[in-house]
Order: sequence, then structure tokens, then C-alpha cells
Amino acid sequence: DAKTTQPTSMDCAEGRAANLPCNHSTISGNEYVYWYRQIHSQGPQYIIHGLKNNETNEMASLIITEDRKSSTLILPHATLRDTAVYYCIVRVNQAGTALIFGKGTTLSVSS
Amino acid sequence: GAVVSQHPSWVICKSGTSVKIECRSLDFQATTMFWYRQFPKQSLMLMATSNEGSKATYEQGVEKDKFLINHASLTLSTLTVTSAHPEDSSFYICSANRAGYALGANVLTFGAGSRLTVL
Repeated sequence: DAKTTQPTSMDCAEGRAANLPCNHSTISGNEYVYWYRQIHSQGPQYIIHGLKNNETNEMASLIITEDRKSSTLILPHATLRDTAVYYCIVRVNQAGTALIFGKGTTLSVSS
Repeated sequence: GAVVSQHPSWVICKSGTSVKIECRSLDFQATTMFWYRQFPKQSLMLMATSNEGSKATYEQGVEKDKFLINHASLTLSTLTVTSAHPEDSSFYICSANRAGYALGANVLTFGAGSRLTVL
């Protein structure tokens, strides 16, 4: 069973921030939060990951609550090319450990 | 860096034939690679973990004699779908992470996927 809960779908206007929530109330102390996205008919693309501190890179920001039971992925200025399925996954940061995908959130960005 | 290449990107075959899909890490060594399968409108399902120089570990419900995995080098894993049938038609995706334990090294990189259609 997936260890995260995400909304099935979300809509966002182009140019606005997209905030994608994820609940992971059973996360263990050694598990990280990873975000990937999958554009139609392509392989998943890594976005960002974190343990407990907020993280930011060129693609997105990751906000993790203090109790680590939930997080939010923020795409600051969504574009049409950000339309994809976004997966939030918890996983120990250890070589040889697979990612187990849930159903993810389908983000639709429209003009 | 961290590019994973899959070949072929799509293949059509007749029922009963075997199809081989290659997964290569182009700029890093991968002691472990993972194979996933994705049916239309569904999420990725982990099929097996491919370990260099040893037997693959299959997930429950995945037939090891039907989906043969070989990880002969640190940069290549192959998945062979034997005696393919129409129900094996799917999107097959591999992923790999760099050998080592540094924080940044354990991000899995995915290939672009291989779409198999069995007639």
C-alpha cells in the first residue's frame, strides 16, 4: 500500500503557483520525501527531495511540516509544460531501495 | 549527469515471440536497477530489482520465468519478455541510482520507457 495520500487532480492557471499537497502521516524517521512527475508517455522525472528542512531547487520548492506528516510541492510559476502526474513518495535514502508509486496527482495547467 | 537510456522506445511483436529491452546508465555505474510496468491510466508498478552480478529479485505476482532479467555489467540491465502475449502489452520503464551512499547519489533516474505491443 502507498504510504502517501495525494488529491487525485488539481487545476492551475498558467503563471500562477501550483501547490501540491501530500500526506505521509506514517513516515519513519529515516525516510525522505521524494517528488517525481510523469509527463504523458514518458519516464518519471525527479523534482526534489528532503528529510525535514524545506528545500528549493531550480524546478520547485518543498515545504515539509515540522512533524513531517505532510508536505507541499510548490511550482512557483506553472507553465503548460508542467501538466503531468505528480508523485509524492517516502523512501529511505539508501542505495538499492526502489521507489513505490501511488496514484499521484494529475496537475492540469491551463492558459 | 545521471542519464538512463532505454532501447527500444517502442516495439511491436507477434504473440509467442520474445522481446528484449535494454536499460543503460550512460554516465554512471549502477549496481542496482529497477524495472517497472505501467498499464494505461495506472501508476507504475515495480516488477523486479536487478542486481549486478546476481539474480534479480522479483515482486510478488511477477513471473521470473516470463520476465527474464540480466544485469551483466554496472551499466546494463536487460528485461526479456518471453513468449509474449497481448496481455503483456504495456509501458516498461527502468531506473537506476548511482553506486555509493552520498545523499545526492540515491536519487533514482528513470529511462524514457519502452512501449510493448503484442499482437
